[in-house]
Amino acid sequence: DARVTQTPRHKVTEMGQEVTMRCQPILGHNTVFWYRQTMMQGLELLAYFRNRAPLDDSGMPKDRFSAEMPDATLATLKIQPSEPRDSAVYFCASGLELGTLFFGSGTQLSVL
Amino acid sequence: GEDVEQSLFLSVREGDSSVINCTYTDSSSTYLYWYKQEPGAGLQLLTYIFSNMDMKQDQRLTVLLNKKDKHLSLRIADTQTGDSAIYFCAEKSGNNDMRFGAGTRLTVKP
Repeated sequence: DARVTQTPRHKVTEMGQEVTMRCQPILGHNTVFWYRQTMMQGLELLAYFRNRAPLDDSGMPKDRFSAEMPDATLATLKIQPSEPRDSAVYFCASGLELGTLFFGSGTQLSVL
Repeated sequence: GEDVEQSLFLSVREGDSSVINCTYTDSSSTYLYWYKQEPGAGLQLLTYIFSNMDMKQDQRLTVLLNKKDKHLSLRIADTQTGDSAIYFCAEKSGNNDMRFGAGTRLTVKP
């Protein structure tokens, strides 16, 4: 049963600490998306990769956020330093270029 | 999600029909989607429509697309309490990225 796997499921950290979220896309999918969900802003697109190359990261605060795909089986989203306003659920999704997206269960991040 | 707009809340009684509306902005969007999110879970694809169609029916779900007005709707017939969730409208734009609306929280009252 192919699925997008995200780790950790929950993360509580203190302001200023580095946070790394990981995503294993479905094998064979060539697009990977990172979204952030909050009550106030809804679902925001942070970054979008196709064939491991970043295509759009305009939704991501560049000074503290970075997204990478070191290989086809791993996507990472890093926040350094983290701030309380980063508290949200972060979703990774993968798909084929012309197909639908499959979402992971998300990482719930709380920055105190 | 500011390019895709949908109302935030909808409340209906069990057995009634629910209609969730969405407007999008990219006229070159090839596919339009409805995703469902249950509490504590990620989004799951509910249904989709190709941009050259104006209607798609799948059991209790009916999707209507008005391409001229860039308006998409999802009708759920005979709404059940298990349909309570957040429903997201999404468009696959011309550059193939996926943009979502803020989500409509559907509450079904018994």
